[in-house]
Amino acid sequence: QKEVEQNSGPLSVPEGAIASLNCTYSDRGSQSFFWYRQYSGKSPELIMSIYSNGDKEDGRFTAQLNKASQYVSLLIRDSQPSDSATYLCAVSPSGTYKYIFGTGTRLKVLA
Amino acid sequence: SAVISQKPSRDICQRGTSLTIQCQVDSQVTMMFWYRQQPGQSLTLIATANQGSEATYESGFVIDKFPISRPNLTFSTLTVSNMSPEDSSIYLCSARDQLNTEAFFGQGTRLTVV
Repeated sequence: QKEVEQNSGPLSVPEGAIASLNCTYSDRGSQSFFWYRQYSGKSPELIMSIYSNGDKEDGRFTAQLNKASQYVSLLIRDSQPSDSATYLCAVSPSGTYKYIFGTGTRLKVLA
Repeated sequence: SAVISQKPSRDICQRGTSLTIQCQVDSQVTMMFWYRQQPGQSLTLIATANQGSEATYESGFVIDKFPISRPNLTFSTLTVSNMSPEDSSIYLCSARDQLNTEAFFGQGTRLTVV
């Protein structure tokens, strides 16, 4: 079983819609969760971090964490073509500094 | 957020040679990490670079192939040794200061081995 799982996509949404990206993880003791965006040919850039159960909002982005279900998601409201990228879920296993990345979900926002 | 400078940004190397990639952070950080990203794939952690001690390697990666240095809290190098075409990939440096803080990435090094 992979430690961090994501649907590889592509996930296609029309401009202005809500994009929902999902991630599950296997280490129940994980404490830190992150979403990165990666444009083709570029390095990952941090979008959101979340550490507690519930929702965390930052502009058009909302991260949701459910530790009991070992599930973290990212919602992008009012999706724009510029949001088209690969979104990487990263989890920091308990007691470590390192990140484990999922395979990424490729998002396409259609104009 | 930390600013991470990585160089070279790209290189084309002959098989059998070695390449050293440098990573410089603009502030002191506790942990530095080296990742590999194959085309169209996600990031695979190679090793964690610890200041003052040997790097910690992930399964499938060994020190003889990927020696790492971490001489201080702002700098690290990764060497890809005795390269083969299978080593062609993007190599990324990352840094993180404390638990429950975010990690940031350098610009990456695109390596092509011919």
